Amino acid sequence: GDSVTQMEGPVTLSEEAFLTINCTYTATGYPSLFWYVQYPGEGLQLLLKATKADDKGSNKGFEATYRKETTSFHLEKGSVQVSDSAVYFCALSDPGNQFYFGTGTSLTVIP
Amino acid sequence: NAGVTQTPKFQVLKTGQSMTLQCAQDMNHNSMYWYRQDPGMGLRLIYYSASEGTTDKGEVPNGYNVSRLNKREFSLRLESAAPSQTSVYFCASQRTRDTGELFFGEGSRLTVL
Repeated sequence: GDSVTQMEGPVTLSEEAFLTINCTYTATGYPSLFWYVQYPGEGLQLLLKATKADDKGSNKGFEATYRKETTSFHLEKGSVQVSDSAVYFCALSDPGNQFYFGTGTSLTVIP
Repeated sequence: NAGVTQTPKFQVLKTGQSMTLQCAQDMNHNSMYWYRQDPGMGLRLIYYSASEGTTDKGEVPNGYNVSRLNKREFSLRLESAAPSQTSVYFCASQRTRDTGELFFGEGSRLTVL
């Protein structure tokens, strides 16, 4: 079945460092791909999405490109801030709209 | 803008007790979902309601029941709580079942002793 695998955390970075969180997926069809972010004590919020191969989703300085050839959707940000500290979830939705979430990667950014 | 509202935010139960988690959305969404979040396991779908009047099982429905009371409200009931149901529960809504983005509530942390 469909699934999402993302890098284990926790990840700790200094402010202004470069961030990459790896995400790969397994899907039989052509899924849509998402990154959700969960700030402490809050629910998940959509960060960005891509609906077809080679699409790039971007928001708040974060980017991810839908790579069909490598079945990946890695999240990147060039310069992280303390306010980016959160848990990040990679997810896919299959053509039947079933969502599959990764296990989450906790990011802590220190000043 | 309230979005998706869940109550209660925290609850402690004893094994065998029952309780209902309430969820309401004010975005006029058709589809609603209940997920549970456990460490190292991501989010797993318990039940969903594609539209008012319909409900379907997700990945982990055992021990739970749901009611889609109207278009706004979708409740999750634990009839006889077990320690394995200790988790954080999230309600989510979606405009329709095929429009992509899920909107989540803030979560309900349930502990079963």
